[in-house]
Amino acid sequence: GAGVSQSPSNKVTEKGKDVELRCDPISGHTALYWYRQRLGQGLEFLIYFQGNSAPDKSGLPSDRFSAERTGESVSTLTIQRTQQEDSAVYLCASSLSGGVRELFFGEGSRLTVL
Amino acid sequence: AQRVTQPEKLLSVFKGAPVELKCNYSYSGSPELFWYVQYSRQRLQLLLRHISRESIKGFTADLNKGETSFHLKKPFAQEEDSAMYYCAYSGNTPLVFGKGTRLSVIA
Repeated sequence: GAGVSQSPSNKVTEKGKDVELRCDPISGHTALYWYRQRLGQGLEFLIYFQGNSAPDKSGLPSDRFSAERTGESVSTLTIQRTQQEDSAVYLCASSLSGGVRELFFGEGSRLTVL
Repeated sequence: AQRVTQPEKLLSVFKGAPVELKCNYSYSGSPELFWYVQYSRQRLQLLLRHISRESIKGFTADLNKGETSFHLKKPFAQEEDSAMYYCAYSGNTPLVFGKGTRLSVIA
């Protein structure tokens, strides 16, 4: 595709439910990043993939958060037992490689936990 | 902790006036600094990076290691510059972003 694609664009869920957010990076980009943006806050780093490996998952806020990447392409961010504080826009970005700092961002998935 | 500080949440200027968006970072190494921009209804995108010393859309930014700053400047603001601007740096980690400054250029 032409750019990073994320789905769903909007998700409303009830507290305690699990959610999955999907990211399709730009073809050929080996590095993939997940960030979270809460209302009025900056971008908070969650996890970084180089290929299918995650050398840096230091930003995952709790063990309810997990992510995987397959085929050096699609990535899924899973949030289990969602809480209201998980409400945010989840942004995915990709770059040619981990050493390249120009990130190409998706439009984000807005998660609202009621 | 590595931090990027953008002290202004909102900056309003008149068209044609100079603009300076402030950014300070805390890192003792040799970071790479960036400015990213998000226009209304568009994706976050790279505006410029300090290593290329370029001017993009009339914007420039100089890295001042002594003051640990990387302020974004433009001599004459245009209405189309209205957007959200994020300063970011990379040390040995993925990009760390500031909280952003919303620039509003008033006609």
